[in-house]
Amino acid sequence: DQQVKQNSPSLSVQEGRISILNCDYTNSMFDYFLWYKKYPAEGPTFLISISSIKDKNEDGRFTVFLNKSAKHLSLHIVPSQPGDSAVYFCAARKESSDSWGKLQFGAGTQVVVTP
Amino acid sequence: NAGVTQTPKFQVLKTGQSMTLQCAQDMNHNSMYWYRQDPGMGLRLIYYSASEGTTDKGEVPNGYNVSRLNKREFSLRLESAAPSQTSVYFCASSFRQRGETQYFGPGTRLLVL
Repeated sequence: DQQVKQNSPSLSVQEGRISILNCDYTNSMFDYFLWYKKYPAEGPTFLISISSIKDKNEDGRFTVFLNKSAKHLSLHIVPSQPGDSAVYFCAARKESSDSWGKLQFGAGTQVVVTP
Repeated sequence: NAGVTQTPKFQVLKTGQSMTLQCAQDMNHNSMYWYRQDPGMGLRLIYYSASEGTTDKGEVPNGYNVSRLNKREFSLRLESAAPSQTSVYFCASSFRQRGETQYFGPGTRLLVL
């Protein structure tokens, strides 16, 4: 039973435009959320995170929005660049000492940025 | 700093064979993890080691064993490989704390025939 869902397996966006990636979760105990980026033949790399006490976190071109009541988060990439073409994973966990490290991942969204 | 390294990069096994996947980190992290990635499933936690000397089951531990050899190294063993264990395996490490970020190795692609 997947507790973190990324319902769009792929997304194509033009260079310079905004990419919006969506993620839904079912476990109301989750209170820390992360996005990872993965290139082919490499391991995932951390991109950005957000705690449930916030509804927005921004880091350069990347912004994550959290809607706790809807159990939904989104990642905005503005502007999109060709190097952003990768698979993006949403992940979540409970921020308690017995749950640190126990990430639940979504299935990923393949982003392709076209010239 | 090499970060997290994994060996081998690719392996083909026959059903019933055994093998050990190796992982090492040089970031002085206390926690280490093993995940598998399957199409349409994301990454799923197999086993983790919160600190040297401890290991615990994750979401999908059946068919696997682990050893936390020392603070740097965490190995994953398949005693009798099955085709269902065909997957890409990732090792990760972190400082186990609030707001932790896990750092991943490049992965081992395993094919079980």
